[in-house]
Amino acid sequence: AQSVTQLDSQVPVFEEAPVELRCNYSSSVSVYLFWYVQYPNQGLQLLLKYLSGSTLVKGINGFEAEFNKSQTSFHLRKPSVHISDTAEYFCAVSDRSTGFQKLVFGTGTRLLVSP
Amino acid sequence: GAVVSQHPSWVICKSGTSVKIECRSLDFQATTMFWYRQFPKQSLMLMATSNEGSKATYEQGVEKDKFLINHASLTLSTLTVTSAHPEDSSFYICSARAQQGSYEQYFGPGTRLTVT
Repeated sequence: AQSVTQLDSQVPVFEEAPVELRCNYSSSVSVYLFWYVQYPNQGLQLLLKYLSGSTLVKGINGFEAEFNKSQTSFHLRKPSVHISDTAEYFCAVSDRSTGFQKLVFGTGTRLLVSP
Repeated sequence: GAVVSQHPSWVICKSGTSVKIECRSLDFQATTMFWYRQFPKQSLMLMATSNEGSKATYEQGVEKDKFLINHASLTLSTLTVTSAHPEDSSFYICSARAQQGSYEQYFGPGTRLTVT
């Protein structure tokens, strides 16, 4: 079964510094990859997704992620973070075994941006 | 576009009672809706998948008689937690998919259930 690993439960960073949130998945079959952001007591908002094509995907709010098939990774990056980026970030994967219909989520990474 | 709402956003109920949570797609027709459960500081766990007009498909370990799901129309799915207990306290999030074969899910804002 597919699994998603987000190694960092919490990432503290200063405002305007770059950040990378790591995501690795287990399955070697065809996958679709997603990053979501969750603000306190809210649902999930899609940041970006990879379905096919270019391995570098750009999303909203200045975030981007790179799909690396050989390393089964989909790390999220932002060159300069803002205080407002403080939130929980979830990586999610769907794969061919479920017809790409079900999402499997990682455990999340809390990004803490301080002044 | 692609807005999903949930009602209520927050509910407290007494142990042994039932509570219904609604999930609506406001500006699109959702052929499939998903119900997730999120424990504090944890990830989302898929509970069930519901298709309009048919019975929901529950994930392993989810009690279908306890978590009743109805998807009566293309814009509404409901989750009823029956005979709620304190361990059912959680954040329940629904998502909706616009059409068959679409791979993107649009998430609702969630419902926080507290059972006392």
